[in-house]
Amino acid sequence: KAGVTQTPRYLIKTRGQQVTLSCSPISGHRSVSWYQQTPGQGLQFLFEYFSETQRNKGNFPGRFSGRQFSNSRSEMNVSTLELGDSALYLCASSSTPLEGNYEQYFGPGTRLTVT
Amino acid sequence: SQQGEEDPQALSIQEGENATMNCSYKTSINNLQWYRQNSGRGLVHLILIRSNEREKHSGRLRVTLDTSKKSSSLLITASRAADTASYFCATGVGNFNKFYFGSGTKLNVKP
Repeated sequence: KAGVTQTPRYLIKTRGQQVTLSCSPISGHRSVSWYQQTPGQGLQFLFEYFSETQRNKGNFPGRFSGRQFSNSRSEMNVSTLELGDSALYLCASSSTPLEGNYEQYFGPGTRLTVT
Repeated sequence: SQQGEEDPQALSIQEGENATMNCSYKTSINNLQWYRQNSGRGLVHLILIRSNEREKHSGRLRVTLDTSKKSSSLLITASRAADTASYFCATGVGNFNKFYFGSGTKLNVKP
């Protein structure tokens, strides 16, 4: 079974621009979560989607948004990029909603650099 | 602040020795998971322990959970150079199991 895939793997953007990151979960997984990892703040939960609905949200500004498609693939969008948005963005999939005691499987991440 | 905090922040041991990492958290949890991350790559799931469990084993890994002390420990026995990585605990909290990650322990296993 193929793992979680994320595209692109690396991205360089300029302040003020917007960016869209993509995540394809493991086949059959319907829950997709997004995390931001920075050296200063560590790993922080952004949001979770299940069956195209956002079920869970972290403490991030409205510039961070996401969506999930009927095939469970997910995208996250960051608008009006700031230097502090430079981070590794990780996507994770799970077979059930996160409310169950099930493992999350992570993708390799997208390294976003904002200049 | 984040829910989980690992201790120590860094650990350096010789191959063959055991490595113990601790995780403390603040609120009631549904489960606690340990992950490994190599050099800024994606996280690899190691083990999940439910809030009603006290100990779990998986290969060379042993995880304990003490909900009264709000703490967990990860023991890696007979460590190998390939175990060199950062290790994170993540707590699943609330109705929808929002996950909080700790700051991680950097483990260096010297050959």
